[in-house]
Amino acid sequence: QSVLTQPPSVSAAPGQKVTISCSGSSSNIANNYVSWYQHLPGSAPKLLIYDNNKRPSGIPDRFSGSKSGTSATLGITGLQTGDEADYYCGTWDSSLSAGVFGTGTQVTVL
Amino acid sequence: EVQLLESGGDFVQSGGSLRLSCAASGFIFSTCAMSWVRRAPGKGLEWLSVISGLGGATYYADSVKGRFTISRDNSKNTLYLQMTSLTAEDTAVYHCAKTHRGSYLDASDIWGQGTMVTVSS
Repeated sequence: QSVLTQPPSVSAAPGQKVTISCSGSSSNIANNYVSWYQHLPGSAPKLLIYDNNKRPSGIPDRFSGSKSGTSATLGITGLQTGDEADYYCGTWDSSLSAGVFGTGTQVTVL
Repeated sequence: EVQLLESGGDFVQSGGSLRLSCAASGFIFSTCAMSWVRRAPGKGLEWLSVISGLGGATYYADSVKGRFTISRDNSKNTLYLQMTSLTAEDTAVYHCAKTHRGSYLDASDIWGQGTMVTVSS
């Protein structure tokens, strides 16, 4: 059972925007950096956002991240069919002394 | 080019053991904390363990603590995961990943394709 909660799925039409929430607590999100990953089963996960809101080189600015208190959010604008995948938030949990991932959100492009 | 290549996945009986390896190239291995993450069929990503660059610090998820051991050989640029007392719940694709700045607290910027472990009961 993950300590970070995400909606199971979100969907939107091509070109539209989706947001994915990640809810945690004071022992994880509130006091540690949040990262976001895109994953298609059978492939390597891809880092989209690190340090709450920074993009690695090569990640388009259609992807954005933010954090407030015990929650974080990933935004995807200009949705494309290639964005269909599972998305996960991740951070460190200081109480567990362990990394944690969110429950995962499946993005569907209608 | 930075690359991670896992190996060692196999079919194993419940209660058995297995050692996974992750061969790294294209970066200074000893400067980066490394982690193992798995994804079971129909489930989400699960963080398992991380080891600091020089191997002096290790951390584990409760689900594998006492059964799995993470280690590294910096002279061989290789990360390992020794798994014991395996159960069907350990069936998953196992990925290794490097941290993008070196600390075990940092995000993982490069991941391997994964190696499949199947535990039969």
